[in-house]
Amino acid sequence: DVKVTQSSRYLVKRTGEKVFLECVQDMDHENMFWYRQDPGLGLRLIYFSYDVKMKEKGDIPEGYSVSREKKERFSLILESASTNQTSMYLCASNRDVSNQPQHFGDGTRLSIL
Amino acid sequence: GDSVTQMEGPVTLSEEAFLTINCTYTATGYPSLFWYVQYPGEGLQLLLKATKADDKGSNKGFEATYRKETTSFHLEKGSVQVSDSAVYFCALNSGYSTLTFGKGTMLLVSP
Repeated sequence: DVKVTQSSRYLVKRTGEKVFLECVQDMDHENMFWYRQDPGLGLRLIYFSYDVKMKEKGDIPEGYSVSREKKERFSLILESASTNQTSMYLCASNRDVSNQPQHFGDGTRLSIL
Repeated sequence: GDSVTQMEGPVTLSEEAFLTINCTYTATGYPSLFWYVQYPGEGLQLLLKATKADDKGSNKGFEATYRKETTSFHLEKGSVQVSDSAVYFCALNSGYSTLTFGKGTMLLVSP
């Protein structure tokens, strides 16, 4: 089974802090994704990466950046956290083959105070 | 662009009732279709999928049939259990890396 592991289940940070969310997958998938999930808004794609050091903006990239230095690891960075970034963050991965499902981690519930 | 529309919830049922959650889509080409389930406090799990018209995906008693003529992929289960209480997401992949998700439908099953 594919395993996507997010480093924290719950995280509390303060406004203005730089926040790192880490995600690791163990299936050698080319593609990795970061979403945020908010009530009534569903899942919204922040960034995705199709290869090491490659990234593409999703629907809501403002206030975020990402890093992919190794194939198995994809980091989401909140450069200067704000309260409106309080949310559930979900990481996913899949193979770079047409019509593949994505495999998700358990999520990180982030609170910015 | 691609889009997925799901019925709004919550859907509230008694145990052993029949479940239908409607999903319709708009997409270019011939997308693959998926249902994901999210249990409280967890990430999304792939429930079932269908990759071409008239395919039926099934898993854990849930079924969905890819209907190209009605652009639909409705989720059904003949007899729900309390443990099926979760949020269900319909999604499609048009052949690119990213998925397009519906907004999710919460299912609440009471004993």
